[in-house]
Amino acid sequence: ELKVEQNPLFLSMQEGKNYTIYCNYSTTSDRLYWYRQDPGKSLESLFVLLSNGAVKQEGRLMASLDTKARLSTLHITAAVHDLSATYFCAVRGSNYKLTFGKGTLLTVNP
Amino acid sequence: DGGITQSPKYLFRKEGQNVTLSCEQNLNHDAMYWYRQDPGQGLRLIYYSQIVNDFQKGDIAEGYSVSREKKESFPLTVTSAQKNPTAFYLCASSIDRGHYGYTFGSGTRLTVV
Repeated sequence: ELKVEQNPLFLSMQEGKNYTIYCNYSTTSDRLYWYRQDPGKSLESLFVLLSNGAVKQEGRLMASLDTKARLSTLHITAAVHDLSATYFCAVRGSNYKLTFGKGTLLTVNP
Repeated sequence: DGGITQSPKYLFRKEGQNVTLSCEQNLNHDAMYWYRQDPGQGLRLIYYSQIVNDFQKGDIAEGYSVSREKKESFPLTVTSAQKNPTAFYLCASSIDRGHYGYTFGSGTRLTVV
């Protein structure tokens, strides 16, 4: 059974600081996805990582994938308040279903 | 505009009542999914369907039922057998076996009164 673990689950940051969210998964997969969710809203796709060593960047967010270590990271650079949200990683299993982590609630404080 | 439409946005259910949540997509996606979200639990898969007239149980299917009579539609019924139905329900769809991930609807918040 595929398990996906994110840490930390809660992250409180100051504006301007850098931090990394980690996503570990238990079985082989070469497809990993990052989503953002604002309170009471749906999930918005951020990044699709399709191969080992893939790195994607959008604004202050950068995601990477190491399939050998079964690890993805979401790095936040110089955080701003607008980045406050819950971030989910998801992994596609052998049956093509996505399994989600529990999410990381990010709060960026002035 | 292509997308997934969930309705209603808010739904209230009395004890012992069945309720149906609607999910319609015009993306021409083959696969559709229903997830339940509870605080601190992430997303848990209820049912999924990869083609019309076929669907599979997910991790928490007990107390729920679905149908997939049309490619565009995947309604979810929350039956009276579901003892704790209060949650946020998200419908999603995908193309090419989820290669590019899922597209999500805006969600339905169900509350038992």
